[in-house]
Amino acid sequence: LAKTTQPISMDSYEGQEVNITCSHNNIATNDYITWYQQFPSQGPRFIIQGYKTKVTNEVASLFIPADRKSSTLSLPRVSLSDTAVYYCLVGDMGGSYIPTFGRGTSLIVHP
Amino acid sequence: GAVVSQHPSWVICKSGTSVKIECRSLDFQATTMFWYRQFPKQSLMLMATSNEGSKATYEQGVEKDKFLINHASLTLSTLTVTSAHPEDSSFYICSARDLAGGPDTQYFGPGTRLTVL
Repeated sequence: LAKTTQPISMDSYEGQEVNITCSHNNIATNDYITWYQQFPSQGPRFIIQGYKTKVTNEVASLFIPADRKSSTLSLPRVSLSDTAVYYCLVGDMGGSYIPTFGRGTSLIVHP
Repeated sequence: GAVVSQHPSWVICKSGTSVKIECRSLDFQATTMFWYRQFPKQSLMLMATSNEGSKATYEQGVEKDKFLINHASLTLSTLTVTSAHPEDSSFYICSARDLAGGPDTQYFGPGTRLTVL
């Protein structure tokens, strides 16, 4: 099971772009990278998932280098409502996958 | 997207009583559901994997006789905290996997806040 490492916390200001990097040095060939967002007293919410290169959706982009040993979640022009904890998970999303959460990154967006 | 519900959203009980938490997948079938526990300012800790029609698989250190899990149908899993004590007070979250979908098919419930007095 690939272990992930993220910064414990980050600070930003409204309107800035925020990049959160996750290290997963022992990622396996069949593993996907998934990012979740969690607000206090709520369940995690799916943000984005990718396997390689770049994935973009309406809320974020995910950059994955060729060696796939890390990934970067990019949040464009953050607002106060983006203050949350962000988790990076790595694993084979097939039937045997057991999602395990690391410590996550606590992002605080300041006015 | 797919929705997972939990009931109740919060519960307060006396020490020694049992509490049942329901996790439902509302618009998809989930052969596998997961139960997590989260203490304040900590990450989600996986408690057990619940498979429809079979016994749950518990993580190391989780007492299976205290945290009873039943996954009787493809849309419902329940977690019963038996003889609850104040140290069981926590935020319990379930998730469900929709195997009919693609890789990003892990959906989380809103969580249940348990407070044991």
